[in-house]
Formats: sequence, structure tokens, C-alpha cells
Amino acid sequence: GNSVTQMEGPVTLSEEAFLTINCTYTATGYPSLFWYVQYPGEGLQLLLKATKADDKGSNKGFEATYRKETTSFHLEKGSVQVSDSAVYFCALKDSNYQLIWGAGTKLIIKP
Amino acid sequence: DAGVIQSPRHEVTEMGQEVTLRCKPISGHDYLFWYRQTMMRGLELLIYFNNNVPIDDSGMPEDRFSAKMPNASFSTLKIQPSEPRDSAVYFCASSLRSAGTAGNQPQHFGDGTRLSIL
Repeated sequence: GNSVTQMEGPVTLSEEAFLTINCTYTATGYPSLFWYVQYPGEGLQLLLKATKADDKGSNKGFEATYRKETTSFHLEKGSVQVSDSAVYFCALKDSNYQLIWGAGTKLIIKP
Repeated sequence: DAGVIQSPRHEVTEMGQEVTLRCKPISGHDYLFWYRQTMMRGLELLIYFNNNVPIDDSGMPEDRFSAKMPNASFSTLKIQPSEPRDSAVYFCASSLRSAGTAGNQPQHFGDGTRLSIL
């Protein structure tokens, strides 16, 4: 069946460091891929998405490229800020319009 | 634009009591999802509706849980009787079904209801 695997957290970085959060997936067909972010005490918010191979989603300095050959959708940011501290979820949307979620990766940015 | 609205934001009650969580989806959205989030189990899909009809309730943990969507602008998730292990944050989300290429419409989440059963 379809599944999403994310790197375990927490990931702890210093401000202005480079960020990568790995995400790989297993799916039939060509699912859409998403990154959501959850700030403390809030619901999940869409961060970025990609709908086909080689698409790059980007938002707020974050980027992720849909790599079909490696079935990956790694999240990257060149210079993180304290305000980026949150939990990040990778997800794919299957043919039934459900989101298949990764376990989430907690990101902690220290000043 | 108003997002997904959930109420209450916090609920604390004693075990055995009935709990009702409420959700107003974004106007025009035809999919509605109920999730539960805990530290131990992460984010779990409980049930989802399409055009007010329950499509998949296989994630509902027990018969104590029930969900309804009487119209396009309102849904409830009810737990009766409640138990301490039901303590979690419950999220409602809504989305549009995209025409043509399937699946590229995101889900929009409410801020959740933090439920504590004592």
C-alpha cells in the first residue's frame, strides 16, 4: 500500500543553518506530494506541494522537488530562523483523495 | 476568507460523559476529514465525508465514536461514553476535489480541539 517515511526528529539546528528533512514515499501511479507545517498549538498548514515528477514546490524559503526516480520529496531551506521551529509533515494524496501522512519531524532552531 | 472553524478549542470532562466536537468547513469544499493527533500514534484519519456522505470510517476506533454531517456547512464528532485514552487533539479539515488531474488540492485544517478526559 501507499506509505510515507520521514526522518525521525527532533532535528536541532542553529539559526542560519541549512535544513534538509528527508521524505520518501511508496505509491502506485503518480500521487501529489505535500509538505505541511504545524506550529505549536495550531492546526496543520500547507507549506508547499508538487503534483508531478520534477516539479519544485516552494514557499517561505522552503523548497522540495518531486523526484520520481528516487521516490523522494526532501524539504530544504538555505537559512533557517527561530520562527521555523515547528513540526513538519510530508504527505501524499492517493487516488481516493486521502492524505497518507508521514510521522512528522520536529524541528528546533536555536538562536 | 474564513478557514475551517472548530469548537470548542479546549474541552475537559470526566470519563463517561458525552463529548461533541464541532466543525464548520470552508464554504464550497466538498470533502471533510476528521483526524486525531496524539504523541504516541501521530496523526490518524478517523473518517471522511464527500458531499455530506461518509465514505470511509475505518479509522474510527470504536463504536463509542460517531460522526455526522447533516449539511455541507457542519459536522460533528461525538464520543459517548468518553474514556481517558480518548484524550487527544482532534482536527477537522476540508478540501475541494480537483477536476482533471486528481489529488492536487490541499486539505485545510482547523486549529483543533484539545480534549482531555479525566
